Amino acid sequence: AQKITQTQPGMFVQEKEAVTLDCTYDTSDQSYGLFWYKQPSSGEMIFLIYQGSYDEQNATEGRYSLNFQKARKSANLVISASQLGDSAMYFCAMREGLYNQGGKLIFGQGTELSVKP
Amino acid sequence: GAGVSQSPRYKVAKRGQDVALRCDPISGHVSLFWYQQALGQGPEFLTYFQNEAQLDKSGLPSDRFFAERPEGSVSTLKIQRTQQEDSAVYLCASSSPWTDATNEKLFFGSGTQLSVL
Repeated sequence: AQKITQTQPGMFVQEKEAVTLDCTYDTSDQSYGLFWYKQPSSGEMIFLIYQGSYDEQNATEGRYSLNFQKARKSANLVISASQLGDSAMYFCAMREGLYNQGGKLIFGQGTELSVKP
Repeated sequence: GAGVSQSPRYKVAKRGQDVALRCDPISGHVSLFWYQQALGQGPEFLTYFQNEAQLDKSGLPSDRFFAERPEGSVSTLKIQRTQQEDSAVYLCASSSPWTDATNEKLFFGSGTQLSVL
């Protein structure tokens, strides 16, 4: 069963506007973590933002915020004031368990974001 | 170095050849993961090490894939008798030794792009 679903293969946004990238997840665990990573054409996975399942407030990191709706099992990424350098692949991921307990990241299929000047 | 280092950056192999991919994690990182990323897809988990112990190899696609981390630092992913379907980017990632759940980052290398002809 697909644990992370990203339904938008590609998205366009005008420079300086906000954009929302969708992510839904499936887990029966009470404790889990949700992540967004950015992958530019260079290939490196760049950590953007993290939300723990027990965190009551939505996570924010600069221009990135995570719209966490636990009951709906969604963890959408909002990028405000888009910049040309934001053009990249974006992956939503979930971790069940801590890393040092073997909790691995499970990734979605990704959304390719293109920022237009 | 400051980040996760992978080599070679690119590898071209003829079908049937053996290949070895190297990962040098961030110094002191206990947990090390290997992922396989097919073109246009999200990364998929291959295997996990805690220090030198391989605790999870459930993602290895066949017995042609073998990974080791003999001294708990550098890791090697070996693929024997490569086949065309092995063509992908192989990503290595490591995480901090701290069990504090607030330290959530998984640090990725830039990957090795393997092309099997």
